[in-house]
Amino acid sequence: GDSVTQTEGLVTVTEGLPVKLNCTYQTTYLTIAFFWYVQYLNEAPQVLLRSSTDNKRTEHQGFHATLHKSSSSFHLQKSSAQLSDSALYYCALNNRIFFGDGTQLVVKP
Amino acid sequence: EAAVTQSPRNKVAVTGGKVTLSCNQTNNHNNMYWYRQDTGHGLRLIHYSYGAGSTEKGDIPDGYKASRPSQENFSLILELATPSQTSVYFCASGDANWGWDTLYFGAGTRLSVL
Repeated sequence: GDSVTQTEGLVTVTEGLPVKLNCTYQTTYLTIAFFWYVQYLNEAPQVLLRSSTDNKRTEHQGFHATLHKSSSSFHLQKSSAQLSDSALYYCALNNRIFFGDGTQLVVKP
Repeated sequence: EAAVTQSPRNKVAVTGGKVTLSCNQTNNHNNMYWYRQDTGHGLRLIHYSYGAGSTEKGDIPDGYKASRPSQENFSLILELATPSQTSVYFCASGDANWGWDTLYFGAGTRLSVL
């Protein structure tokens, strides 16, 4: 069946340094779309990025991700982490929207 | 203003009691979803709907029912609440204009079953 894997439950990074959150998937669907959602403390999840195009970089709010079907991945990256980026991040696969377990990002001063 | 509104925001229920969680959306989206969020499990899909009168089982439907009486409203019903259903519940509506649903979530309902 379909699955989404976020390998890190917690990522801690120092402000100003790059950050990468990993997301891989397994699916039998031929056409797919991927999403990153962000959930700030005591708030609802909200969409951050989305993509359905292989090997095309998508950017929003300083974050970027590229869907790589060859490696079944859609990693989230930012070149310079900010304190305000501290949040819970989910990647999600389309259709009935399969979510990974989430990665808590903590940005330290 | 919030386009997906959940009520109540907090609920304490007794084991064996009936609980109804309500969700209202003003996005005019056809699709709506109920998830629960638990530490270590992320967001898990309970039920979803394609429109008024439609309900479909998600990945963890046992112990839950859903009702979609109108485009705007989607309820989650726990007929016999159990402590294992203590969780945070999120409702979402789906904007399919891009081809796949982009979800817009409500603020969540924190349910404690004692």
